[in-house]
Amino acid sequence: KAGVTQTPRYLIKTRGQQVTLSCSPISGHRSVSWYQQTPGQGLQFLFEYFSETQRNKGNFPGRFSGRQFSNSRSEMNVSTLELGDSALYLCASSPEGRTGYNEQFFGPGTRLTVL
Amino acid sequence: AQSVTQLDSQVPVFEEAPVELRCNYSSSVSVYLFWYVQYPNQGLQLLLKYLSGSTLVESINGFEAEFNKSQTSFHLRKPSVHISDTAEYFCAVSERNTDKLIFGTGTRLQVFP
Repeated sequence: KAGVTQTPRYLIKTRGQQVTLSCSPISGHRSVSWYQQTPGQGLQFLFEYFSETQRNKGNFPGRFSGRQFSNSRSEMNVSTLELGDSALYLCASSPEGRTGYNEQFFGPGTRLTVL
Repeated sequence: AQSVTQLDSQVPVFEEAPVELRCNYSSSVSVYLFWYVQYPNQGLQLLLKYLSGSTLVESINGFEAEFNKSQTSFHLRKPSVHISDTAEYFCAVSERNTDKLIFGTGTRLQVFP
């Protein structure tokens, strides 16, 4: 099976712009989670989608949003970019969910740089 | 889990030396425990996990971790590291019967020749 893919791998934007990141989960996985990774902060949970519904949400402002399509592919959007949004954004998929005993399968990430 | 603490942000070690990466957590309920590894320019991948049963779990590449309930720890160890073990290691804790999953801030293991 193909792994989790994320596009694009690198992005450079300027403050105030918006950006859309894409994630294709492993075939058959219904859960897609998004994380923000920054040095010193580790992984901060953004949100999880399961069967096209947002199931959980982390403590991020409303500028961060996402959605999941019927084929389980997911997108996340960040509007009105700020310098502090520069980070590696990781997508992870799982057959049933991100919590409990479930293993998550991570993509390589999208590195977003905001200038 | 209320929190996951990885006390060491960086651990430098020479090749073939033993290493221990520490992970402590706080939780009032039973937990599942995970170690993930992130190699340069890659996403995270599961290294090993504790769900139940034997408190000592092993990975295929020689790492092991022991769940210590009384000390709320899940330290990762390897008796002899290799250059290829250079990576960032994340401890994660999932509380049973809840939707809580928390990652530690990571420990960067740097193996020198």
